[in-house]
Amino acid sequence: DGGITQSPKYLFRKEGQNVTLSCEQNLNHDAMYWYRQDPGQGLRLIYYSQIVNDFQKGDIAEGYSVSREKKESFPLTVTSAQKNPTAFYLCASSPDRTASPLHFGNGTRLTVT
Amino acid sequence: QKEVEQNSGPLSVPEGAIASLNCTYSDRGSQSFFWYRQYSGKSPELIMFIYSNGDKEDGRFTAQLNKASQYVSLLIRDSQPSDSATYLCAVNDSGATNKLIFGTGTLLAVQP
Repeated sequence: DGGITQSPKYLFRKEGQNVTLSCEQNLNHDAMYWYRQDPGQGLRLIYYSQIVNDFQKGDIAEGYSVSREKKESFPLTVTSAQKNPTAFYLCASSPDRTASPLHFGNGTRLTVT
Repeated sequence: QKEVEQNSGPLSVPEGAIASLNCTYSDRGSQSFFWYRQYSGKSPELIMFIYSNGDKEDGRFTAQLNKASQYVSLLIRDSQPSDSATYLCAVNDSGATNKLIFGTGTLLAVQP
């Protein structure tokens, strides 16, 4: 079955450590996205990529980094510079470069203490 | 700052009734509009999308779009307890290719 796989589902880290969240898709989609969701808030865009080896900052990119070395993969690193990293992180993809529906992975819930 | 606004709710409706969820947006250039359903602790799933003014029906769901008023709505007929979830409205950002702006969502509670 085609889909988006995020791993792990739950992640716990100590403050000051960098952590990388995995996102893999086998839908052959060009565009991939990372969103962050906090309780009572909507989805906020962290980074997005429309093509391999290219990505753009979203609305809250500070403290995060990404890479897009393969079409299928778009890992997100949460660095120690991110002030409030505890959140629900969602990876998504869409089939082309025009505004089209996003397909979401199951999410990773990151807790930093 | 481009915004998508939704009433956070909760919107409580009895089983079998019509639930009406509303969304307004600030980006007059937006052309694509989406409704997602999100159960607690889960990721959003696409329910409907609409690109043209008017109504679009899919089963028990109807999306309505009025670009002049910058308003989009979702009607759920014959509401079921399983429809209880948060409904997110999203619109495309006309100034950025392939970028969506999400509202904070409306919590719907269908009472048996």
